[in-house]
Amino acid sequence: AQSVTQLDSHVSVSEGTPVLLRCNYSSSYSPSLFWYVQHPNKGLQLLLKYTSAATLVKGINGFEAEFKKSETSFHLTKPSAHMSDAAEYFCVVSDGGATNKLIFGTGTLLAVQP
Amino acid sequence: GAGVSQSPSNKVTEKGKDVELRCDPISGHTALYWYRQRLGQGLEFLIYFQGNSAPDKSGLPSDRFSAERTGESVSTLTIQRTQQEDSAVYLCASSTSYEQYFGPGTRLTVT
Repeated sequence: AQSVTQLDSHVSVSEGTPVLLRCNYSSSYSPSLFWYVQHPNKGLQLLLKYTSAATLVKGINGFEAEFKKSETSFHLTKPSAHMSDAAEYFCVVSDGGATNKLIFGTGTLLAVQP
Repeated sequence: GAGVSQSPSNKVTEKGKDVELRCDPISGHTALYWYRQRLGQGLEFLIYFQGNSAPDKSGLPSDRFSAERTGESVSTLTIQRTQQEDSAVYLCASSTSYEQYFGPGTRLTVT
C-alpha cells in the first residue's frame, strides 16, 4: 500500500531564509507524488506534482521538490520564505489504482517569522 | 472558469440528526471524490465516483454514510444519525486526469 510520512508537524523559519519541508513515501511502484498547500480558511491548492518525468519538479510561488528514489523522499523547498507562505502543507501520493484516490500525509504547519 | 463548489460552507447539527452535504464539480469532470479532514489531520478518502457509479466506497466509515451522484454533475454526501466523531471538514474534489481540484469544504459540527 502507498503511504507518505511528513517528518515535521511544525516548521518555523524567518522571512527570507530557506524552507525545507520533509516527506518520505512508501510505494510498491513508481508513484505519483504531490504537494498541496492549505491557507487558513481556504481550499487546498496544488503546488506541484511528480509523475515520473523530471525528478526536480518546479511548482508555483517559487517552490520545488526533488524526487529521490534511493531515499524514498520528496522534500519541498523554497530558497527564500515569504510571509504569505505561512500555511499547512500536505505531501500526497496517488494510490495508483483505478480510482486514483489521494493518500495524504498528516501535514506540516509552516510559520514564517518577520 | 468556475471551480468546485460545496454547500453549505458550515453546518451545525445536533447529535442524531441527518445531514446532507452537496458538491458541484467542475463541468466536464467525470471523476468525483469525497474526503474528510478531521481537526489537525490530513485528508481521508471516503468515496470515488466515475460518472454516476461509485466503484470505490472503501473509505466510508460506517453504513451511516452514503453518497449519490447525478450523472457527471452534482453529488450529495448524506450522514444519518450524526455522531460527535463525524465533526470534520468534508471536501469534494473533481478530476479528469491525475490532478484533483478541491472545493472549499463543508465544516460539519455535531453538538
